[in-house]
Amino acid sequence: GAVVSQHPSRVICKSGTSVKIECRSLDFQATTMFWYRQFPKKSLMLMATSNEGSKATYEQGVEKDKFLINHASLTLSTLTVTSAHPEDSSFYICSARLAGGLFEQFFGPGTRLTVL
Amino acid sequence: AQSVTQLDSQVPVFEEAPVELRCNYSSSVSVYLFWYVQYPNQGLQLLLKYLSGSTLVESINGFEAEFNKSQTSFHLRKPSVHISDTAEYFCAVSAGQGAQKLVFGQGTRLTINP
Repeated sequence: GAVVSQHPSRVICKSGTSVKIECRSLDFQATTMFWYRQFPKKSLMLMATSNEGSKATYEQGVEKDKFLINHASLTLSTLTVTSAHPEDSSFYICSARLAGGLFEQFFGPGTRLTVL
Repeated sequence: AQSVTQLDSQVPVFEEAPVELRCNYSSSVSVYLFWYVQYPNQGLQLLLKYLSGSTLVESINGFEAEFNKSQTSFHLRKPSVHISDTAEYFCAVSAGQGAQKLVFGQGTRLTINP
């Protein structure tokens, strides 16, 4: 149980285009989802916390207009990288917390974004 | 604010040797501690966690970690490693009221040599 999927697993796009990444909790309801960014050989950096039905809470330094997050249902959150540039290339990982659950987050497999 | 320090960025060991991956944290409130493992090009998988109770926690694949409040540590150990344990290991802390966010350490790359 507690499986989180991400789609796509890899995406390559041209500079200036927008890319949408989906994060789904497959077998549980997640009131809270988290989006992380991981640079090569670095730790995970929390970008934002997404609560179902409300606006996401972004961490300091993360541009909310560039990284649009939508959490429309208890099983789906999306991250849209708008007007992507090469510096946005990274590994994006989402996680989900069980509705009513405490502390533990279940992580998706990640999405490798490459912006040319 | 909480922080996590993993003192070793890389740890090479021989197969069947014991290993310890170090993790220290700082927090002014009660904490919940986690170890996650990341295999190449994959997301994170929970290895083990400390929420309360016994300070020694174990995983199903032979890893264990001990919460030491006085030393603010949560070191990960395994008495005999396998090639398949080669991965990146992250220590994380969640703290405070609500304890929503996870703060990760820098990660330790464990490399098992035959």
